[in-house]
Amino acid sequence: EDKVVQSPLSLVVHEGDTVTLNCSYEVTNFRSLLWYKQEKKAPTFLFMLTSSGIEKKSGRLSSILDKKELFSILNITATQTGDSAVYLCFHTGKLIFGQGTTLQVKP
Amino acid sequence: ETGVTQTPRHLVMGMTNKKSLKCEQHLGHNAMYWYKQSAKKPLELMFVYNFKEQTENNSVPSRFSPECPNSSHLFLHLHTLQPEDSALYLCASSQGRAEDYEQYFGPGTRLTVT
Repeated sequence: EDKVVQSPLSLVVHEGDTVTLNCSYEVTNFRSLLWYKQEKKAPTFLFMLTSSGIEKKSGRLSSILDKKELFSILNITATQTGDSAVYLCFHTGKLIFGQGTTLQVKP
Repeated sequence: ETGVTQTPRHLVMGMTNKKSLKCEQHLGHNAMYWYKQSAKKPLELMFVYNFKEQTENNSVPSRFSPECPNSSHLFLHLHTLQPEDSALYLCASSQGRAEDYEQYFGPGTRLTVT
């Protein structure tokens, strides 16, 4: 069965901490894997990953894909309260979202 | 207006009502999507339209009926819904197929079925 599993499901950290969010998948027909951030209602796009081992970076956020081991990670360094959100991983092989990781950053 | 807009933002309907959700994108995109987001469950893809043609229907009950009259507008017609259909309904659009382009989401319609 095709599935996308994110871990942890929730995480509470303090400002300044570094977090690593995981997304593993068992999906046929890999095309790409995307990360989104959902703060209130509308998810917003963070990264699209298509090739293994190539890190995508935007400010304090970065992400990498491992197509051999079938997972991706999203790193956030020097977290801020504005990073509090649900982080979603999306596999385009079957157009499946993971269940999300809820990140809470405390002041 | 810019981006993806959805109306109404909140909707309460009885099980015997008929209502429609509207989505409009101002991005010049060619693909549009409906998703359902229930509490404690992942975002579920319902329908996909590419260039106004429906290309995905993820076993959605017939009480949900999509309509895509042009590349900028997408509707979700609702009739005889069940309480378990209460959820946040999100619309999204992308420049091309979801496999190749990121999606831009609207703010959603919070639907409550009584």
